[in-house]
Amino acid sequence: AQSVTQPDIHITVSEGASLELRCNYSYGATPYLFWYVQSPGQGLQLLLKYFSGDTLVQGIKGFEAEFKRSQSSFNLRKPSVHWSDAAEYFCAVGASPPGAAGNKLTFGGGTRVLVKP
Amino acid sequence: DGGITQSPKYLFRKEGQNVTLSCEQNLNHDAMYWYRQDPGQGLRLIYYSHIVNDFQKGDIAEGYSVSREKKESFPLTVTSAQKNPTAFYLCASIRTSEGEKLFFGSGTQLSVL
Repeated sequence: AQSVTQPDIHITVSEGASLELRCNYSYGATPYLFWYVQSPGQGLQLLLKYFSGDTLVQGIKGFEAEFKRSQSSFNLRKPSVHWSDAAEYFCAVGASPPGAAGNKLTFGGGTRVLVKP
Repeated sequence: DGGITQSPKYLFRKEGQNVTLSCEQNLNHDAMYWYRQDPGQGLRLIYYSHIVNDFQKGDIAEGYSVSREKKESFPLTVTSAQKNPTAFYLCASIRTSEGEKLFFGSGTQLSVL
């Protein structure tokens, strides 16, 4: 069964500093990987996704993530954090594209990011 | 504008009561999903449906029921059998032909009185 671990429950970062959120997954074949962001009391917004090809993927809001098969990781990074980046971030893994018959996404427990002025 | 609408935003349930959470989408999406979110546990899948009049159990379906009579609508009923219903519930949908991006509603917070 597929699983996702986000080791950090909370991260506090100063505005303008760099940010890295860790994600480790467990899945036997090539995974489909996603990062979502959630503002308080809201739904989730897709930041970026990896299906195949270049292992460094660019997303919205200046985020990027790198797929490392040898480490079963898909860490999210941003070079310079803005106060508006304070939110909860979820990593997710799927066995095939979402929406494919029988497929479902498995989400990690989330990392809450706090941004200090 | 197209999107997913969940209602109500806040819902309170009394002991032994069934309550229904609404999810409507006008995106012409085929697949719809219900997730439950508890603090520190991420999102867990309750039920999903890829076509009208068909749905499958997710990881935590016990105490919940759904229907998919229309493509646009996927209501979730939290029954009295669900002993710990307090959580944030998220509905999502996707067009299976695109197969890439889940669209999420803004959620319903369910609490027990």
